[in-house]
Amino acid sequence: KQEVTQIPAALSVPEGENLVLNCSFTDSAIYNLQWFRQDPGKGLTSLLLIQSSQREQTSGRLNASLDKSSGRSTLYIAASQPGDSATYLCAVNQAGTALIFGKGTTLSVSS
Amino acid sequence: DGGITQSPKYLFRKEGQNVTLSCEQNLNHDAMYWYRQDPGQGLRLIYYSQIVNDFQKGDIAEGYSVSREKKESFPLTVTSAQKNPTAFYLCASSRLAGTYEQYFGPGTRLTVT
Repeated sequence: KQEVTQIPAALSVPEGENLVLNCSFTDSAIYNLQWFRQDPGKGLTSLLLIQSSQREQTSGRLNASLDKSSGRSTLYIAASQPGDSATYLCAVNQAGTALIFGKGTTLSVSS
Repeated sequence: DGGITQSPKYLFRKEGQNVTLSCEQNLNHDAMYWYRQDPGQGLRLIYYSQIVNDFQKGDIAEGYSVSREKKESFPLTVTSAQKNPTAFYLCASSRLAGTYEQYFGPGTRLTVT
């Protein structure tokens, strides 16, 4: 059964720092992987989607990579800002249907 | 504006009562999903539907029921058989082609006392 793990569970950094969030999954047979942002009490906002044939995707200060063979993905955030404070969730899609989620990394960026 | 709407945002019920959560999408997506989120936990799949009048159970379907009478709507009923219904409920939708990217609604927080 697919399991998704995110490390660390929480992270605190000063403004301006570059940081990396990690996501690992146990079954490499995935269709795609999505990174989401969730603010407290809110729904999920899709940040980046990487298809299984891709190695990375970029959007602004965000870069997500995928190494399917090793079951790993990273989300790189450049020049972090207080507005980046949120919980970041990683999810894999195995069959083009429902997502399997990690528990998330809660990021706090201090000014 | 295209998107997913969930109502109500907050819902309070007494134990033993059934309650229905609404989810509507105007993205013309074929697939819709219900997830449950508990504090400090990832989202877990309750039910999903890929076509009108058809749906499949997810990992935690016990105590829940759904219907899909229209493509745009996928209501979730939390029944009295659900032992721990207090949670944050999220609805999502996606196409069944291309990237299969899922889009989420704002969620409904259900509190049962």
